[in-house]
Amino acid sequence: EVQLVESGGGLVKPGGSLKLSCAASGFAFSSYDMSWVRQTPEKRLEWVAYISSGGGSTYYPDTVKGRFTISRDNAKNTLYLQMSSLKSEDTAMYYCARQVLRYAMDYWGQGTSVTVSS
Amino acid sequence: QIVLTQSPAIMSASPGEKVTMTCSASSSVSYMHWYQQKSGTSPKRWIYDTSKLASGVPARFSGSGSGTSYSLTISSMEAEDAATYYCQQWSSNPPMTFGGGTKLEIK
Repeated sequence: EVQLVESGGGLVKPGGSLKLSCAASGFAFSSYDMSWVRQTPEKRLEWVAYISSGGGSTYYPDTVKGRFTISRDNAKNTLYLQMSSLKSEDTAMYYCARQVLRYAMDYWGQGTSVTVSS
Repeated sequence: QIVLTQSPAIMSASPGEKVTMTCSASSSVSYMHWYQQKSGTSPKRWIYDTSKLASGVPARFSGSGSGTSYSLTISSMEAEDAATYYCQQWSSNPPMTFGGGTKLEIK
């Protein structure tokens, strides 16, 4: 059974940093591209980072470029999202998701909540 | 970036009623994916590559479209279909984008 379990969320002050993790199991993690997607309090879905299966390619939207870094450890079957210079608008539920053909996301984790507030 | 606009934002349907929601892209895209999300849960892949049903999705669901106009249709509404549906695309240039969602309620 495919499982994605996020962790690392919490309350952080504006300008602070946080590192999210996503533990994968039940599939060949190293063979799949992965993404982080967030859902705002208004329920809008926003893609925030993408990484290829080997880690050699990463993409970000302009809203987080330069502040967020996606990485992976295929030996540990774990995906990461390092977030820095956090802003109130980064407050959201953060999901990791497995990417398949044509960038559909066929499995999602349960999410980890990030709140940026003073 | 390509903007996806879903309409309507909220709709309600009676059991047995046919339901259609749309996703309009600001520029032509090659395909569309759809996700279903119920309150308190993660999104689930529902329809992919415009018209393919994900595993376990009832046959009363269908997807269609091309270019800038895509749609999700339920042939006969059931109570379990009440949820929010999001469309998503990835163009040749990043980023991936989602529509704002259509919240479907049961009458």
